[in-house]
Amino acid sequence: SSELTQDPAVSVALGQTVRITCQGDRLRTSYASWYQQKPQQAPILVLYGKNTRPSGIPDRFSGSTSGNTASLTISGAQAEDEADYYCNSRDSSGDFAFGGGTKLTVL
Amino acid sequence: EVQVVQSGGGFVQPGGSLRVSCAVSGLRFSNYWMTWVRQAPGKGLEWVADIKHDGSETHYVDSVKGRFTVSRDNTKNSLYLQISSLRAEDTAVYYCARELDWAGNYYFDSWGQGTLVTVSS
Repeated sequence: SSELTQDPAVSVALGQTVRITCQGDRLRTSYASWYQQKPQQAPILVLYGKNTRPSGIPDRFSGSTSGNTASLTISGAQAEDEADYYCNSRDSSGDFAFGGGTKLTVL
Repeated sequence: EVQVVQSGGGFVQPGGSLRVSCAVSGLRFSNYWMTWVRQAPGKGLEWVADIKHDGSETHYVDSVKGRFTVSRDNTKNSLYLQISSLRAEDTAVYYCARELDWAGNYYFDSWGQGTLVTVSS
């Protein structure tokens, strides 16, 4: 089982706000990074650190952390946001783990 | 512009070996940790291994320890993953990516396109 837990699937109406969560003890000491993956494509980084977006990622993507839970929020979801989303974090031994992934459907 | 181009992969019999490679351009390769991630068909992402910028330190997920070896050649701006004693469950698309550190928080940018390794008799 993954050391980071995500809901398998979430849906959102077009233009509405959706939050994707990631739970794990390692998140108490390390921020998660978040990746978007569309079918047959490599993942892309959408968020890292406290709430930092790489260049080119729309500002509707934001992040937060509380206790052992990290959240990726998409404010005003667009059709092109439909994808799988994965969280990732590193532990003190230097090993990384991904969450199981959340399939986002935009209705 | 950073480019990460993968090669290698293919079909291999159980117990066999294979090497997958990444060629990186557009950055000073020797300055960065690099990582390998894999994805079994229809499954999620799994972190596999990483290697320090000078090759002096590596980490592996438990399921591949003793079978996989990550290495790099900074003179060729290239990263390698030697995979041995292959099992059916190693069938996956293997991705390489640059590993970055922001104030002790880590993330992967600049991913390769992925290369498929299929273990089958």
